[in-house]
Amino acid sequence: DTGVSQNPRHKITKRGQNVTFRCDPISEHNRLYWYRQTLGQGPEFLTYFQNEAQLEKSRLLSDRFSAERPKGSFSTLEIQRTEQGDSAMYLCASSPPGHLNEKLFFGSGTQLSVL
Amino acid sequence: SQKIEQNSEALNIQEGKTATLTCNYTNYSPAYLQWYRQDPGRGPVFLLLIRENEKEKRKERLKVTFDTTLKQSLFHITASQPADSATYLCAPSRGRLTDKLIFGTGTRLQVFP
Repeated sequence: DTGVSQNPRHKITKRGQNVTFRCDPISEHNRLYWYRQTLGQGPEFLTYFQNEAQLEKSRLLSDRFSAERPKGSFSTLEIQRTEQGDSAMYLCASSPPGHLNEKLFFGSGTQLSVL
Repeated sequence: SQKIEQNSEALNIQEGKTATLTCNYTNYSPAYLQWYRQDPGRGPVFLLLIRENEKEKRKERLKVTFDTTLKQSLFHITASQPADSATYLCAPSRGRLTDKLIFGTGTRLQVFP
């Protein structure tokens, strides 16, 4: 049973650089979520896909953030012109068809450090 | 705006005792509420889901209650073990298509021998 896979696990970048993270959900999970988490806080919703359609995007997500799920399988999250405030753990989760928002399966996250 | 409150201070208890964690929410009418466990450097792991028409739910040493009048959920771990040490997150949800799962800040539990 392969869980949600995220790559890379860690990313260190300089301010102003672009970064891209990848998430491979559990196969047959049609819903995919991106969250961001900083130390001492709970995961904060960023965006959500059902199959390839991006159904919701947080108002907290600036124009520098973009996410895609082109074939309804894996997803990428890109941050352009990174800022130090972008430093956080970026979590991906997936869930199977059925009731919305139930039982999210999370990956181990990508820890981003912007210097 | 919707608000979810969990004890921000860590809960320290002795092995064998019952740990009780609290989740309070305001400006919100969830259809169900979930509890997750998160270990350092890892993603949250789903533990239990309780629906609004359920007062209590159990799974092995875990018990969750849901009081929609008090707008509160309690999460109990009986006969706690050091391996239960982690951060526990609650996440109420209305389950609507336009809804997103919002998490509380989590409570860190430390069980010492």
